[in-house]
Amino acid sequence: GAGVSQSPRYKVAKRGQDVALRCDPISGHVSLFWYQQALGQGPEFLTYFQNEAQLDKSGLPSDRFFAERPEGSVSTLKIQRTQQEDSAVYLCASSIRDTAFSTNEKLFFGSGTQLSVL
Amino acid sequence: KQEVTQIPAALSVPEGENLVLNCSFTDSAIYNLQWFRQDPGKGLTSLLLIQSSQREQTSGRLNASLDKSSGRSTLYIAASQPGDSATYLCASLNTDKLIFGTGTRLQVFP
Repeated sequence: GAGVSQSPRYKVAKRGQDVALRCDPISGHVSLFWYQQALGQGPEFLTYFQNEAQLDKSGLPSDRFFAERPEGSVSTLKIQRTQQEDSAVYLCASSIRDTAFSTNEKLFFGSGTQLSVL
Repeated sequence: KQEVTQIPAALSVPEGENLVLNCSFTDSAIYNLQWFRQDPGKGLTSLLLIQSSQREQTSGRLNASLDKSSGRSTLYIAASQPGDSATYLCASLNTDKLIFGTGTRLQVFP
């Protein structure tokens, strides 16, 4: 696709429900990142994939958060037993990075999924 | 742990003014410093990327500088326009991930 696509655009969940957020990266992009952005704050890193391998999940706030990218393209962020503090915009980004580390490539962000937990 | 701070948190200026947004970071061992723009309800758009070996980058009316030794970067916007109204975020690349500041909300009024 032309850009990073995220769905749904908005999600309202009752406390305790499970949610799944989807990210379609730009075709051919190897690296994929998930960020969480609370209202009025900057994005905070959650996890990073290179192809299907989850290389860094140090930002996931608890074991209720789980991310996968089984075929190295589409990724899903799952939040189990949602709580009010999970309310935020969840941003997905991809880059063409095809080595373990590159300092010059830019990230392309999706519009995010706004999650509201009531 | 890297901490990135942006000041001011909000800025409102009349059209045509030149303005400077500030970004500071605590760990100077960065690989690059990036500036992004975020419009309400939208994702982030990359504006400028400065490698750690560089001092500045320019794109149109935007100029970003980097001083690693002092842990500072500035984004200079020349001849501001109402269309520049947005939140501007800086981020440092540390290891494999970007660490973001909290942003500066800019409003340029006609």
